[in-house]
Amino acid sequence: AQSVTQPDIHITVSEGASLELRCNYSYGATPYLFWYVQSPGQGLQLLLKYFSGDTLVQGIKGFEAEFKRSQSSFNLRKPSVHWSDAAEYFCAVVLYNTDKLIFGTGTRLQVFP
Amino acid sequence: NAGVMQNPRHLVRRRGQEARLRCSPMKGHSHVYWYRQLPEEGLKFMVYLQKENIIDESGMPKERFSAEFPKEGPSILRIQQVVRGDSAAYFCASSAQKLGSADTQYFGPGTRLTVL
Repeated sequence: AQSVTQPDIHITVSEGASLELRCNYSYGATPYLFWYVQSPGQGLQLLLKYFSGDTLVQGIKGFEAEFKRSQSSFNLRKPSVHWSDAAEYFCAVVLYNTDKLIFGTGTRLQVFP
Repeated sequence: NAGVMQNPRHLVRRRGQEARLRCSPMKGHSHVYWYRQLPEEGLKFMVYLQKENIIDESGMPKERFSAEFPKEGPSILRIQQVVRGDSAAYFCASSAQKLGSADTQYFGPGTRLTVL
């Protein structure tokens, strides 16, 4: 079935540690790819997006993501996590020539001091 | 430039009542999308509208739910005869162009609906 998968429901890291959140998609063609962050009780904020071109994408708040076509993945990374990064992270795709976001189930990030 | 506005932020309804959720897109955006987030779940697409037109309503429940985006004023998501299962966060997003043309959606803060 076509889907967006975030295998890690919950991740806990120490402040200052590196972070990688996984995202895989199962569609025939490469979709447009997004990462959003949602703080508790808040809306979604766009972290970064990939449409085409350079497969390493830089976003806000020090985040980056790498598109790997061979693995159908778009993993989010940050070299050093801050306590304020604790939130829910959603990977999402837009299939070519459609007009809706399809979201993964999210990864909840907890940061310990 | 104000972002996407949604109101109310919180809405409490009793079973059988109607809920009206409003969304004002970002200035210059004519494409509006509604998503629903059930507790502990990701967002699910409901409907995509342009001014006065419903473009894609494939995610809308067949009954009790309707959406509009009139020529003037905000987009409205209307839920008639609410049931407890309608309790969720409803998010509106807008974009300047169609998403399929490699544009970006910007989200509002959401309306959290609680059905008693």
